Amino acid sequence: GESVGLHLPTLSVQEGDNSIINCAYSNSASDYFIWYKQESGKGPQFIIDIRSNMDKRQGQRVTVLLNKTVKHLSLQIAATQPGDSAVYFCAETQYGQNFVFGPGTRLSVLP
Amino acid sequence: EPEVTQTPSHQVTQMGQEVILRCVPISNHLYFYWYRQILGQKVEFLVSFYNNEISEKSEIFDDQFSVERPDGSNFTLKIRSTKLEDSAMYFCASGDSTDTQYFGPGTRLTVL
Repeated sequence: GESVGLHLPTLSVQEGDNSIINCAYSNSASDYFIWYKQESGKGPQFIIDIRSNMDKRQGQRVTVLLNKTVKHLSLQIAATQPGDSAVYFCAETQYGQNFVFGPGTRLSVLP
Repeated sequence: EPEVTQTPSHQVTQMGQEVILRCVPISNHLYFYWYRQILGQKVEFLVSFYNNEISEKSEIFDDQFSVERPDGSNFTLKIRSTKLEDSAMYFCASGDSTDTQYFGPGTRLTVL
């Protein structure tokens, strides 16, 4: 049978469109959240972070939204480019410990 | 730009053998981590290291695993007696605070 986890959720977007990737986190006491990008064959790369005392943070072309009520994070990528194609996953931590990573979403940018 | 490096990029070993995975963290960083990622699955935390001692470890990090910072630059992960299920990508990360982590490119461990 299939192993759980081999099939990541996939988001396909047209080049130039905006992408929204979602993540549900597990620990209501987590105080710091990070989005990572992982390209094939490479290690995770930091994209953007947010602390639990904020609900929105913007970077260059990326925005992270935090909804603590429903323990939900989202990553918005504006004007998605082919180089954005990768697996994106969130991570949560409490006081710099208990790092827990989400399973990831594969973003596929269509020409 | 400074980066975390890891060697080897791919390690093949027989079940029961010991392996040592090596990492060179970014030079002024004080916090060091090991993670693993089984093919197609999520990244899993193994251990964090600060001030020459383990600060946190997960359930995965059992007695078969150990970490060491033998000198001022290297950070190693040793698996004493490898099992088939240890096959995974192992990522080292380092940071100058408990928040930010910079990941290395990983070592692919294949246990036969």
